[in-house]
Amino acid sequence: EDQVTQSPEALRLQEGESSSLNCSYTVSGLRGLFWYRQDPGKGPEFLFTLYSAGEEKEKERLKATLTKKESFLHITAPKPEDSATYLCAVQATAQGGSEKLVFGKGTKLTVNP
Amino acid sequence: DAGVIQSPRHEVTEMGQEVTLRCKPISGHDYLFWYRQTMMRGLELLIYFNNNVPIDDSGMPEDRFSAKMPNASFSTLKIQPSEPRDSAVYFCASSFSRANEQFFGPGTRLTVL
Repeated sequence: EDQVTQSPEALRLQEGESSSLNCSYTVSGLRGLFWYRQDPGKGPEFLFTLYSAGEEKEKERLKATLTKKESFLHITAPKPEDSATYLCAVQATAQGGSEKLVFGKGTKLTVNP
Repeated sequence: DAGVIQSPRHEVTEMGQEVTLRCKPISGHDYLFWYRQTMMRGLELLIYFNNNVPIDDSGMPEDRFSAKMPNASFSTLKIQPSEPRDSAVYFCASSFSRANEQFFGPGTRLTVL
C-alpha cells in the first residue's frame, strides 16, 4: 500500500529562519510527487511536481527536491505569508494506470514576524 | 478562469437527512476527483471520474455515499442518510490528463448534527 509520511507535524519559524519539511514515501513505482500549499478554509494549491530522483524545482523562497525515498521542501528566509499547511502527495505507476494521489497529513508551518 | 466551483460552501444538517454537494470542474479538464478531509485521516480520495465515467470508487466509505457526473461540467456527491461521522470538508478537484496536477475547489464544510 502506498504511504506518505510528513514531518514535522508542525513547525514554527522566525521570519528569515530557513528550514526544511520532509516527506517520506513508500510506493511501488513513482509516477510523480506533488507538493501543495493549503491555507485555512481553502482548498490545496498546487506548488510543484517532481518525477525522478535528483530533480529539483524552485518557486520564490521554496525549493523542492526528490530522492528515491523522500522529498524535501526547503524554505529560504521565510516570511509570515508563507504560513500555511504544506501537503505532499504521491502518484504511483500501476498496471491499469492509477491516477490516485495519496496524501500525507501535512506540515503546519507558522512564520512569526 | 473561475477555477473549480463548489456549492454550498457550508452545510449544516441533521442526522438522517440527505445531503447533496455540487462541483463544477475547470473547463477542458477531463478528470474529476472527490476528496474528504478530516483532522484524523487527512485528505482521502473518495471517487474519481474520467470523461464523466466513474473509474475508481474504492474510497467511498459506504453505500450511503454516491456520486454522479451527468456531463463534463457538473458532478454531485450525495450522502443519504447522513451521519455525524460524515462531518468533514469535502473537496472537488479536476485535472487535464491523468499525470497532471489537480486543481482543488474551495471545499464544502459539512456538519451533521
